[in-house]
Amino acid sequence: AQRVTQPEKLLSVFKGAPVELKCNYSYSGSPELFWYVQYSRQRLQLLLRHISRESIKGFTADLNKGETSFHLKKPFAQEEDSAMYYCALTGQAGTALIFGKGTTLSVSS
Amino acid sequence: SAVISQKPSRDICQRGTSLTIQCQVDSQVTMMFWYRQQPGQSLTLIATANQGSEATYESGFVIDKFPISRPNLTFSTLTVSNMSPEDSSIYLCSAIDPGPGQFFGPGTRLTVL
Repeated sequence: AQRVTQPEKLLSVFKGAPVELKCNYSYSGSPELFWYVQYSRQRLQLLLRHISRESIKGFTADLNKGETSFHLKKPFAQEEDSAMYYCALTGQAGTALIFGKGTTLSVSS
Repeated sequence: SAVISQKPSRDICQRGTSLTIQCQVDSQVTMMFWYRQQPGQSLTLIATANQGSEATYESGFVIDKFPISRPNLTFSTLTVSNMSPEDSSIYLCSAIDPGPGQFFGPGTRLTVL
């Protein structure tokens, strides 16, 4: 079955601390993986996609096919990173996304 | 990149009535989708809105309850029919832009009393 698992509902860290938001997936094939972010009172927006292999707002994510994971990392959290983060996958280009349940990241000073 | 607008942004409806949500993209897109986000839950795909043909529904969603139209490459509607309190949710429209990928509208927050 196709599934995205985000084991943490809430992750609370202090400003300047490292952050890792976990994401594991189940998919028979080669999916494309994404991280979406939703800041308070804003729409859902794309943060990262694994094929781009880029860093956005200091966040990176590496696809580990052996562990079927796509964890989101940032070395030094900022208060403005506080948001809901969703991991998602699609099986092929042009098809709908399958979302995980999301993780709320709370960064406090 | 392209932008999606949705109308209404929120509504409070009585059970047994229907509500039609409009989704407008400011450029032509090939794929459009409708999702539901129930309170405290993740996004669940309702259907793929196909231009010029019937929508493709996911398991658990049927056309009689959630009729969808897509008359052209920039516009789609989702109707929530014969509403009950269990339909209270945020309904999201999304589309795919070949460059940036899948992007989302602001959502319609529906409360059914």
